[in-house]
Amino acid sequence: GENVEQHPSTLSVQEGDSAVIKCTYSDSASNYFPWYKQELGKRPQLIIDIRSNVGEKKDQRIAVTLNKTAKHFSLHITETQPEDSAVYFCAAGGGADGLTFGKGTHLIIQP
Amino acid sequence: SAVISQKPSRDICQRGTSLTIQCQVDSQVTMMFWYRQQPGQSLTLIATANQGSEATYESGFVIDKFPISRPNLTFSTLTVSNMSPEDSSIYLCSVDGSQETQYFGPGTRLLVL
Repeated sequence: GENVEQHPSTLSVQEGDSAVIKCTYSDSASNYFPWYKQELGKRPQLIIDIRSNVGEKKDQRIAVTLNKTAKHFSLHITETQPEDSAVYFCAAGGGADGLTFGKGTHLIIQP
Repeated sequence: SAVISQKPSRDICQRGTSLTIQCQVDSQVTMMFWYRQQPGQSLTLIATANQGSEATYESGFVIDKFPISRPNLTFSTLTVSNMSPEDSSIYLCSVDGSQETQYFGPGTRLLVL
């Protein structure tokens, strides 16, 4: 089955700086790669996703890149703000399959 | 995206008992999934709830422990059977939106004593 590795487990950045979270996956059949943000006590919220026919996708301050050959994808958050503090999960899957999640990154934005 | 509700939102149960969690969506969806999130951990897929047929379970999860129903395209239930303290988790259903996106319900927080 699919295996997703996520790094780092904790990331602390100064407000206004950029944050990068990286994931690798093992199953070359996976073709869908979403990122979720989970605030304490709340459900995971989809913030951006990318499919295997695309190398990069941007949505305002958030971008995701995908390298299918190397089987890795990354989340980039620019101009970080205090409200970006949360746990971020990457996932991999596709089609009728459920998602396999990484272990999560606790992002801390320092004022 | 679809509006997803779960009942109950939380419960405290005694070991050896069973709890059935309901997931309701405000529109018809093809795929519904059940996940478990243990305290401080990531999400793990339990099973895919298939409408009109048996659920498809992931490795490490069995039907006797987590029976699932999917009577129609807007509703599913997950039962946690013969509970032990190790079953204390958040249980989340998710549904597919357009183009394989998955949206999560609010979750059910279960504490087993």
